[in-house]
Amino acid sequence: AQSVTQPDIHITVSEGASLELRCNYSYGATPYLFWYVQSPGQGLQLLLKYFSGDTLVQGIKGFEAEFKRSQSSFNLRKPSVHWSDAAEYFCAVGFNDYKLSFGAGTTVTVRA
Amino acid sequence: DSGVTQTPKHLITATGQRVTLRCSPRSGDLSVYWYQQSLDQGLQFLIQYYNGEERAKGNILERFSAQQFPDLHSELNLSSLELGDSALYFCASSEDGTDTQYFGPGTRLTVL
Repeated sequence: AQSVTQPDIHITVSEGASLELRCNYSYGATPYLFWYVQSPGQGLQLLLKYFSGDTLVQGIKGFEAEFKRSQSSFNLRKPSVHWSDAAEYFCAVGFNDYKLSFGAGTTVTVRA
Repeated sequence: DSGVTQTPKHLITATGQRVTLRCSPRSGDLSVYWYQQSLDQGLQFLIQYYNGEERAKGNILERFSAQQFPDLHSELNLSSLELGDSALYFCASSEDGTDTQYFGPGTRLTVL
């Protein structure tokens, strides 16, 4: 069955430290890949997307993600987190029909 | 601000009632998607419309229906509401139904 897995429910990171959020998918072929962020009480904001081409994708707010076909992964990274990065992060995949399937989300807490 | 608007922001109603959620897509976007975000089910795709026609259906209950009007705004109708329908309902839009989806701020529905 097709699925999206975010193994980490909650991550706590110190301000200024690096952050990596994991995402794995299980699909018959390479889907379209997205990361969205949801701040408390807010909607979903697109951070970045991968459709094809360069496997290292740059997004907004200093985030990047790397697609690894061999590992069926699309991990999100940020070299130095800011307190404003505290939010919930969702990995999403789309396929031919483009409706998105979302992972369960990872909540990021930033400590001073 | 994604450019997708949703009204109302909050809705409180009673079991058995019917409500209508409204979504206006970004200017120029022809496709509208509806998603439900609940604590137990996470983010789930409900339905997609493209230029007034239903294009894809997900885990949408028979008590729920949607439509997209000639001016491209969309409405999601929820009837015979149950406690379990309490959730955040998101609308998203995309230009041609095959690319990046941009999300609105959501409507929080509480069924008492």
